[in-house]
Amino acid sequence: QKEVEQNSGPLSVPEGAIASLNCTYSDRVSQSFFWYRQYSGKSPELIMSIYSNGDKEDGRFTAQLNKASQYVSLLIRDSQPSDSATYLCAVMFSSNTGKLIFGQGTTLQVKP
Amino acid sequence: GAVVSQHPSRVICKSGTSVKIECRSLDFQATTMFWYRQFPKKSLMLMATSNEGSKATYEQGVEKDKFLINHASLTLSTLTVTSAHPEDSSFYICSAPHRGGGLDQPQHFGDGTRLSIL
Repeated sequence: QKEVEQNSGPLSVPEGAIASLNCTYSDRVSQSFFWYRQYSGKSPELIMSIYSNGDKEDGRFTAQLNKASQYVSLLIRDSQPSDSATYLCAVMFSSNTGKLIFGQGTTLQVKP
Repeated sequence: GAVVSQHPSRVICKSGTSVKIECRSLDFQATTMFWYRQFPKKSLMLMATSNEGSKATYEQGVEKDKFLINHASLTLSTLTVTSAHPEDSSFYICSAPHRGGGLDQPQHFGDGTRLSIL
């Protein structure tokens, strides 16, 4: 069974710090990886997508992928209280179907 | 702005009622859309893949006769929860691949429908 694992947290960081969110997945052949942010009571919004090993940066966000270790992470620099949300890691195990398997999410709390 | 529109945002109804939820892609065609369900403090679980012009594909454990999916056009998929019961109360969310791109593209989610069955 294909699985995506995240630490549910909460992860608490002070304002201005770097928040590091981690995710592991079970299927070595997975190709596409996504990070979504979900505020309480709202639907997920896409933050980053990453398809190749290495780092991908977009503003304060950096996604890191290591396919050999089956590990994907999200770094948030200069964390702001508005970043407080649940961060969902999603893995597309097959690009033929487009199906996403989500981790349980990590709750991030950024304290002023 | 939003690229996927979902309606209604909230439904409260009595047990036994059937509820229809609409998911529309805005300004692009989506031959494939996805329906998810999220229980409180849980993650999203894929229910089914909605395919324009053909039958939906349901995930294991999802009752196709309970959750009817119709992909009526290239911009509209509907989910009907038939004879809803309190255990069907959940947050239902649809998604579509980015701007109608390939299935490997990021998915954009509608705002979700919070269904409460009394």
